[in-house]
Amino acid sequence: GAVVSQHPSWVICKSGTSVKIECRSLDFQATTMFWYRQFPKQSLMLMATSNEGSKATYEQGVEKDKFLINHASLTLSTLTVTSAHPEDSSFYICSAALDGFSGNTIYFGEGSWLTVV
Amino acid sequence: GESVGLHLPTLSVQEGDNSIINCAYSNSASDYFIWYKQESGKGPQFIIDIRSNMDKRQGQRVTVLLNKTVKHLSLQIAATQPGDSAVYFCAEIPRSASKIIFGSGTRLSIRP
Repeated sequence: GAVVSQHPSWVICKSGTSVKIECRSLDFQATTMFWYRQFPKQSLMLMATSNEGSKATYEQGVEKDKFLINHASLTLSTLTVTSAHPEDSSFYICSAALDGFSGNTIYFGEGSWLTVV
Repeated sequence: GESVGLHLPTLSVQEGDNSIINCAYSNSASDYFIWYKQESGKGPQFIIDIRSNMDKRQGQRVTVLLNKTVKHLSLQIAATQPGDSAVYFCAEIPRSASKIIFGSGTRLSIRP
C-alpha cells in the first residue's frame, strides 16, 4: 500500500527557534498534501492544504507566516514552525492524496511530535 | 481551522462483544464520510468510508451506517478484540472542497 513518511518523528527545540518537519510520499506522487495538528485528547485540526508548485491554502485562524509550508516536489511537503513557542508544542500529522479523493485514497503519516522548551 | 476539539468520551466494551461508536456531523453537503482508527502516538488509519448516497456499508468485522435525516454516522465493530483499542474518529469530505475534516473522537477500551 501507499506509504507516507514524516521526519523527524519527534523533535525538541528551544523557544524562538524554527523547526522543519518533512512529509514524503514514498511510492506515489501526490499533488496535494495536508497538514494537521493535534493536541492531546483532541481531534485533528486541519491547518493547510499544500499544493505542489503553488502556495498553500491555509485554514481560517492559522497563521501562514508562522507555519510555512513548501511543496516543492510531488513527493515532498515541508512544514516549518517559525519562532516556535511552547504553545506550538503539538503532534503534527501530514497526509497525501494518491489519486482521486475518497477515504481510501488519502494516506496519513505517522506524525511528528514537537516539543518547544 | 475546522474540526471539533473535544475531550474524548470513552466507550468500554467486553472483549468479544460488539462495539457501536457514534458520531454527529453538521455539514450535510459532504461526499464521503470516513472512520479512522488512531492508536497512541500514531497517525490515523483508514477503516472504512461511505458515500453520501448510501446508508450502509460493510467491511471485514466493521459496518458503517449513515443516517442523513438526523446527520448521524455510526461504526459497528463485531466481536471486539484487544487490538481494537484505540481512538476512533469520524471525518467527512465536503462536496465543496477536497479536504478531510475530522469530527469528534471516541476512545474504545476493551475489558478482558
